[in-house]
Amino acid sequence: GAGVSQSPSNKVTEKGKDVELRCDPISGHTALYWYRQSLGQGLEFLIYFQGNSAPDKSGLPSDRFSAERTGGSVSTLTIQRTQQEDSAVYLCASSYSGARNQPQHFGDGTRLSIL
Amino acid sequence: GNSVTQMEGPVTLSEEAFLTINCTYTATGYPSLFWYVQYPGEGLQLLLKATKADDKGSNKGFEATYRKETTSFHLEKGSVQVSDSAVYFCALRGGTNSGNTPLVFGKGTRLSVIA
Repeated sequence: GAGVSQSPSNKVTEKGKDVELRCDPISGHTALYWYRQSLGQGLEFLIYFQGNSAPDKSGLPSDRFSAERTGGSVSTLTIQRTQQEDSAVYLCASSYSGARNQPQHFGDGTRLSIL
Repeated sequence: GNSVTQMEGPVTLSEEAFLTINCTYTATGYPSLFWYVQYPGEGLQLLLKATKADDKGSNKGFEATYRKETTSFHLEKGSVQVSDSAVYFCALRGGTNSGNTPLVFGKGTRLSVIA
């Protein structure tokens, strides 16, 4: 399809395991964003990419979280040694450019549950 | 820093009632303003946007006007339908002309429309 694609749609894993979440942005979109949606915290910004570089990592909650983007397209968000507080819906968005008037288009998210 | 405050829900209305969801913001410079909607079981969708003062965004019968003097972007619809039941998020982006900035979201307002 033409929208932002995220996989998996659901992930259940045990505490302490590593997880990888994937985002495939809209073709031609240079900017890519990761957010987290949880009941207690609402929608939180995690990290964004302009091309393959990540100028702003300020939203990553701990050093267990990392992300990369290759080829200016697909991005992977990795959470190491998962904790129960990492349970949330992880949303990816992309926009045509980084200009502030450009809307961000969201994927359906990955629902992560840590047992 | 930038922030968004929107009215807390839940809001319950009868079909064909008038809807207002209040949203105010704090930002430096000239942010762009957005309303996103999340229908049950679905991802975030852009509903409307306004990128400068006095702009009116509109879509699907919803409207919001960018009021710089009151730092507000209230969402309105003249006659709601059951299908409008969803969570609505007010968001802003940017504040200056430089750089790429993430969206800052309000906490969301859940709307339930009953027949």
